[in-house]
Amino acid sequence: NAGVTQTPKFQVLKTGQSMTLQCAQDMNHEYMSWYRQDPGMGLRLIHYSVGAGITDQGEVPNGYNVSRSTTEDFPLRLLSAAPSQTSVYFCASATDRTTQSPETQYFGPGTRLLVL
Amino acid sequence: KQEVTQIPAALSVPEGENLVLNCSFTDSAIYNLQWFRQDPGKGLTSLLLIQSSQREQTSGRLNASLDKSSGRSTLYIAASQPGDSATYLCAGSRGYQKVTFGTGTKLQVIP
Repeated sequence: NAGVTQTPKFQVLKTGQSMTLQCAQDMNHEYMSWYRQDPGMGLRLIHYSVGAGITDQGEVPNGYNVSRSTTEDFPLRLLSAAPSQTSVYFCASATDRTTQSPETQYFGPGTRLLVL
Repeated sequence: KQEVTQIPAALSVPEGENLVLNCSFTDSAIYNLQWFRQDPGKGLTSLLLIQSSQREQTSGRLNASLDKSSGRSTLYIAASQPGDSATYLCAGSRGYQKVTFGTGTKLQVIP
């Protein structure tokens, strides 16, 4: 049981380049989400999904796209990288059976992104 | 908009001491509150989840309480150990779109 996996671990991009951050989970969780973590700020929700084919925006969605074709995978796409997107990105999955809210969240190890 | 505050930002204690970490939130209508630990350069590890209908949860040396009326949660760590050194984060959830994290308390337990 691998839990939540993320690739790559580290990436350097030039301004304007695009890339996809991969996230996969093997716990059959319906809820998956992407966060970014910046120094001095709490984790901020970028996008989330409550099941295959269902995605929605979080607090800071601009510049990012997501899709959810399977329960297991939830990739995050940066359309045209900007220096302001330099951050650590975390993917998480959770159950949400009893409330309309994620419950215990399991996080991946993170992707460190540097945009020059 | 929900705001989550964790004070102090950093804490240093001698090994064996019992300690309390604080988490304050402005929107009392949360569905649940979760505590995490984060080791340097790593992801977050879930410690305890408290549903809005619960008052506290316990796991080993950890005990988390939730008081929605006052907008506070505390994480109690008994008999602290050097291995407890990490950053502790709390997050309040009020729906799929409304998950708000605090900025964390960095704990150092000195042998």
